Amino acid sequence: QVQLRESGPGLVWPSQTLSLTCSVSGGSITRDSYYWTWIRQPAGKGLEWIGRISSSGNTDYNPSLQSRVTISADSSRNQLSLRLTSVTAADTALYYCARVDRTEGYWGKFYYYYMDVWGKGTTVTVSS
Amino acid sequence: QSALTQPASVSGSPGQPITISCTGTSSDLGAYDYVAWYQQYPGNAPKLIIYDVRNRPSGISNRFSGSKFGNKASLTIDGLQAEDEANYYCSSYTTSLSLVFGGGTRLTVL
Repeated sequence: QVQLRESGPGLVWPSQTLSLTCSVSGGSITRDSYYWTWIRQPAGKGLEWIGRISSSGNTDYNPSLQSRVTISADSSRNQLSLRLTSVTAADTALYYCARVDRTEGYWGKFYYYYMDVWGKGTTVTVSS
Repeated sequence: QSALTQPASVSGSPGQPITISCTGTSSDLGAYDYVAWYQQYPGNAPKLIIYDVRNRPSGISNRFSGSKFGNKASLTIDGLQAEDEANYYCSSYTTSLSLVFGGGTRLTVL
Protein backbone atom coordinates (compact mmCIF):
# COMPACT_ATOMS: atom_id res chain seq x y z
CA GLN A 1 0.00 0.00 0.00
CA VAL A 2 1.49 3.30 -1.10
CA GLN A 3 1.98 5.91 1.59
CA LEU A 4 3.16 9.49 1.25
CA ARG A 5 4.67 11.69 3.94
CA GLU A 6 5.45 15.37 3.55
CA SER A 7 8.19 17.06 5.52
CA GLY A 8 9.97 20.38 5.71
CA PRO A 9 10.40 23.53 7.77
CA GLY A 10 7.19 24.77 9.26
CA LEU A 11 8.30 28.40 9.14
CA VAL A 12 9.80 30.29 6.21
CA TRP A 13 10.87 33.93 6.10
CA PRO A 14 9.23 36.19 3.52
CA SER A 15 11.13 36.42 0.22
CA GLN A 16 12.95 33.16 0.99
CA THR A 17 12.55 29.77 -0.66
CA LEU A 18 10.15 27.13 0.61
CA SER A 19 11.48 23.60 0.25
CA LEU A 20 9.45 20.48 1.00
CA THR A 21 10.02 16.77 0.58
CA CYS A 22 7.51 13.99 0.01
CA SER A 23 8.74 10.51 0.95
CA VAL A 24 6.97 7.70 -0.87
CA SER A 25 6.80 4.17 0.52
CA GLY A 26 5.15 1.04 -0.81
CA GLY A 27 5.68 1.90 -4.46
CA SER A 28 8.25 3.36 -6.83
CA ILE A 29 7.91 6.91 -8.11
CA THR A 30 9.44 5.75 -11.40
CA ARG A 31 6.50 3.47 -12.19
CA ASP A 32 5.00 4.89 -15.36
CA SER A 33 1.41 4.27 -14.33
CA TYR A 34 1.41 7.31 -12.10
CA TYR A 35 2.41 10.93 -11.84
CA TRP A 36 2.99 12.79 -8.56
CA THR A 37 1.66 16.16 -7.54
CA TRP A 38 1.76 18.93 -4.96
CA ILE A 39 -1.40 20.66 -3.78
CA ARG A 40 -1.85 23.29 -1.10
CA GLN A 41 -4.69 24.52 1.06
CA PRO A 42 -4.67 27.75 3.07
CA ALA A 43 -6.36 27.41 6.41
CA GLY A 44 -10.12 27.42 6.01
CA LYS A 45 -9.91 27.69 2.24
CA GLY A 46 -9.99 25.48 -0.83
CA LEU A 47 -7.47 23.35 -2.67
CA GLU A 48 -4.95 24.80 -5.11
CA TRP A 49 -3.03 22.64 -7.57
CA ILE A 50 0.66 23.54 -7.63
CA GLY A 51 2.10 21.16 -10.21
CA ARG A 52 2.96 17.58 -11.10
CA ILE A 53 5.86 15.44 -12.21
CA SER A 54 5.82 12.33 -14.35
CA SER A 55 7.69 9.11 -13.69
CA SER A 56 10.26 10.25 -16.23
CA GLY A 57 10.67 13.71 -14.70
CA ASN A 58 8.51 15.84 -16.97
CA THR A 59 6.71 18.62 -15.14
CA ASP A 60 3.59 20.75 -15.50
CA TYR A 61 2.82 23.71 -13.26
CA ASN A 62 -0.07 25.93 -12.29
CA PRO A 63 0.32 28.96 -14.59
CA SER A 64 -0.15 31.29 -11.63
CA LEU A 65 2.85 29.78 -9.82
CA GLN A 66 4.99 28.65 -12.73
CA SER A 67 7.61 31.40 -12.40
CA ARG A 68 8.34 30.46 -8.76
CA VAL A 69 7.88 26.70 -8.50
CA THR A 70 10.05 23.69 -9.21
CA ILE A 71 9.05 20.08 -8.65
CA SER A 72 11.72 17.40 -8.86
CA ALA A 73 12.16 13.74 -8.03
CA ASP A 74 14.96 11.67 -6.53
CA SER A 75 14.44 8.08 -7.63
CA SER A 76 17.28 6.79 -5.46
CA ARG A 77 15.49 8.01 -2.35
CA ASN A 78 11.97 7.57 -3.78
CA GLN A 79 11.22 11.17 -2.90
CA LEU A 80 9.62 14.20 -4.49
CA SER A 81 10.59 17.76 -3.80
CA LEU A 82 8.88 21.11 -4.03
CA ARG A 83 10.67 24.45 -4.21
CA LEU A 84 8.78 27.71 -4.15
CA THR A 85 10.81 30.88 -4.35
CA SER A 86 10.13 34.44 -3.19
CA VAL A 87 7.43 33.40 -0.75
CA THR A 88 4.95 35.76 0.84
CA ALA A 89 2.26 35.39 3.47
CA ALA A 90 -0.06 34.27 0.68
CA ASP A 91 1.98 31.05 0.43
CA THR A 92 1.08 30.09 4.01
CA ALA A 93 -0.85 26.84 3.70
CA LEU A 94 -1.07 23.12 4.34
CA TYR A 95 0.92 21.45 1.58
CA TYR A 96 -0.04 17.98 0.34
CA CYS A 97 1.70 15.59 -2.00
CA ALA A 98 -0.41 13.02 -3.81
CA ARG A 99 -0.23 10.24 -6.37
CA VAL A 100 -1.91 10.97 -9.67
CA ASP A 101 -3.67 8.14 -11.49
CA ARG A 102 -4.55 8.08 -15.16
CA THR A 103 -7.34 7.47 -17.60
CA GLU A 104 -6.88 6.27 -21.15
CA GLY A 105 -8.47 8.64 -23.61
CA TYR A 106 -8.78 8.62 -27.36
CA TRP A 107 -6.04 7.07 -29.49
CA GLY A 108 -4.41 5.50 -26.47
CA LYS A 109 -3.36 8.78 -24.87
CA PHE A 110 -3.25 8.78 -21.08
CA TYR A 111 -4.55 11.64 -18.96
CA TYR A 112 -3.07 11.88 -15.48
CA TYR A 113 -5.38 13.99 -13.39
CA TYR A 114 -7.07 12.37 -10.40
CA MET A 115 -5.37 11.97 -7.03
CA ASP A 116 -5.95 8.56 -5.52
CA VAL A 117 -3.45 8.56 -2.66
CA TRP A 118 -2.68 11.59 -0.47
CA GLY A 119 -0.22 12.37 2.26
CA LYS A 120 -1.39 13.91 5.51
CA GLY A 121 0.11 17.27 4.60
CA THR A 122 2.60 19.60 6.22
CA THR A 123 1.87 23.12 7.37
CA VAL A 124 4.06 25.97 6.19
CA THR A 125 3.83 29.45 7.63
CA VAL A 126 5.51 32.38 5.93
CA SER A 127 6.33 34.97 8.54
CA SER A 128 9.17 37.00 9.96
CA GLN B 1 -6.58 29.81 -14.63
CA SER B 2 -9.73 30.41 -12.61
CA ALA B 3 -11.14 28.00 -10.10
CA LEU B 4 -14.22 26.02 -11.00
CA THR B 5 -17.38 27.45 -9.45
CA GLN B 6 -19.14 25.54 -6.69
CA PRO B 7 -21.82 26.70 -4.25
CA ALA B 8 -20.25 27.59 -0.92
CA SER B 9 -22.72 25.44 0.97
CA VAL B 10 -25.57 23.00 0.54
CA SER B 11 -27.68 21.23 3.10
CA GLY B 12 -30.14 18.39 3.28
CA SER B 13 -32.00 16.15 5.66
CA PRO B 14 -31.07 12.53 6.29
CA GLY B 15 -32.43 10.25 3.61
CA GLN B 16 -32.85 13.01 1.05
CA PRO B 17 -30.73 13.42 -2.06
CA ILE B 18 -28.54 16.46 -2.61
CA THR B 19 -26.64 17.71 -5.64
CA ILE B 20 -23.51 19.83 -5.74
CA SER B 21 -22.79 21.66 -8.95
CA CYS B 22 -19.43 22.53 -10.45
CA THR B 23 -19.26 25.02 -13.32
CA GLY B 24 -16.26 25.58 -15.53
CA THR B 25 -15.36 26.77 -18.99
CA SER B 26 -14.61 25.42 -22.43
CA SER B 27 -10.98 25.10 -21.33
CA ASP B 28 -11.69 22.61 -18.57
CA LEU B 29 -15.06 20.95 -17.95
CA GLY B 30 -16.21 21.75 -21.46
CA ALA B 31 -13.10 20.28 -23.06
CA TYR B 32 -12.78 16.92 -21.33
CA ASP B 33 -14.67 14.29 -19.42
CA TYR B 34 -11.85 14.17 -16.90
CA VAL B 35 -13.64 15.29 -13.78
CA ALA B 36 -13.00 14.11 -10.23
CA TRP B 37 -14.64 14.78 -6.90
CA TYR B 38 -13.05 14.70 -3.47
CA GLN B 39 -14.49 14.50 0.02
CA GLN B 40 -12.61 16.19 2.85
CA TYR B 41 -13.36 16.03 6.55
CA PRO B 42 -11.92 18.81 8.72
CA GLY B 43 -8.35 18.03 9.68
CA ASN B 44 -8.02 15.26 7.10
CA ALA B 45 -6.61 14.99 3.61
CA PRO B 46 -9.07 14.90 0.71
CA LYS B 47 -10.34 11.52 -0.45
CA LEU B 48 -11.17 10.61 -4.04
CA ILE B 49 -14.84 9.65 -4.43
CA ILE B 50 -15.50 10.08 -8.17
CA TYR B 51 -13.24 10.07 -11.24
CA ASP B 52 -13.91 10.15 -14.99
CA VAL B 53 -17.13 12.07 -14.28
CA ARG B 54 -19.03 9.12 -12.84
CA ASN B 55 -16.70 6.28 -11.79
CA ARG B 56 -16.32 5.35 -8.13
CA PRO B 57 -13.09 3.98 -6.67
CA SER B 58 -13.32 0.70 -4.86
CA GLY B 59 -14.91 1.11 -1.45
CA ILE B 60 -16.91 4.24 -2.24
CA SER B 61 -20.62 3.95 -1.60
CA ASN B 62 -22.94 3.78 -4.60
CA ARG B 63 -24.91 6.58 -2.96
CA PHE B 64 -22.36 8.87 -4.61
CA SER B 65 -22.80 9.53 -8.33
CA GLY B 66 -21.48 12.02 -10.83
CA SER B 67 -22.59 13.51 -14.12
CA LYS B 68 -21.60 16.21 -16.58
CA PHE B 69 -23.24 18.21 -19.32
CA GLY B 70 -21.24 20.77 -21.22
CA ASN B 71 -19.35 23.03 -18.84
CA LYS B 72 -21.15 21.80 -15.74
CA ALA B 73 -20.50 18.76 -13.59
CA SER B 74 -22.58 17.53 -10.68
CA LEU B 75 -22.14 15.29 -7.67
CA THR B 76 -25.27 13.67 -6.27
CA ILE B 77 -25.47 11.98 -2.92
CA ASP B 78 -28.54 9.77 -2.46
CA GLY B 79 -29.94 8.81 0.92
CA LEU B 80 -28.01 11.49 2.78
CA GLN B 81 -26.37 10.30 5.98
CA ALA B 82 -24.82 12.18 8.88
CA GLU B 83 -21.39 10.84 7.91
CA ASP B 84 -21.66 12.64 4.56
CA GLU B 85 -21.25 16.00 6.28
CA ALA B 86 -17.94 17.24 4.87
CA ASN B 87 -16.41 19.53 2.29
CA TYR B 88 -16.56 18.48 -1.36
CA TYR B 89 -14.29 19.61 -4.18
CA CYS B 90 -14.55 19.09 -7.93
CA SER B 91 -11.50 19.02 -10.15
CA SER B 92 -10.90 19.00 -13.88
CA TYR B 93 -8.11 18.49 -16.35
CA THR B 94 -7.54 21.59 -18.50
CA THR B 95 -6.40 22.38 -22.02
CA SER B 96 -3.22 23.93 -20.62
CA LEU B 97 -2.15 20.52 -19.26
CA SER B 98 -2.94 21.60 -15.74
CA LEU B 99 -5.50 20.73 -13.12
CA VAL B 100 -8.02 23.07 -11.55
CA PHE B 101 -10.16 22.68 -8.44
CA GLY B 102 -13.49 24.12 -7.49
CA GLY B 103 -13.70 26.42 -4.50
CA GLY B 104 -15.31 23.71 -2.40
CA THR B 105 -18.80 23.11 -1.02
CA ARG B 106 -19.62 22.61 2.62
CA LEU B 107 -22.33 19.97 3.00
CA THR B 108 -24.44 20.15 6.14
CA VAL B 109 -26.74 17.31 7.14
CA LEU B 110 -29.64 18.85 9.01
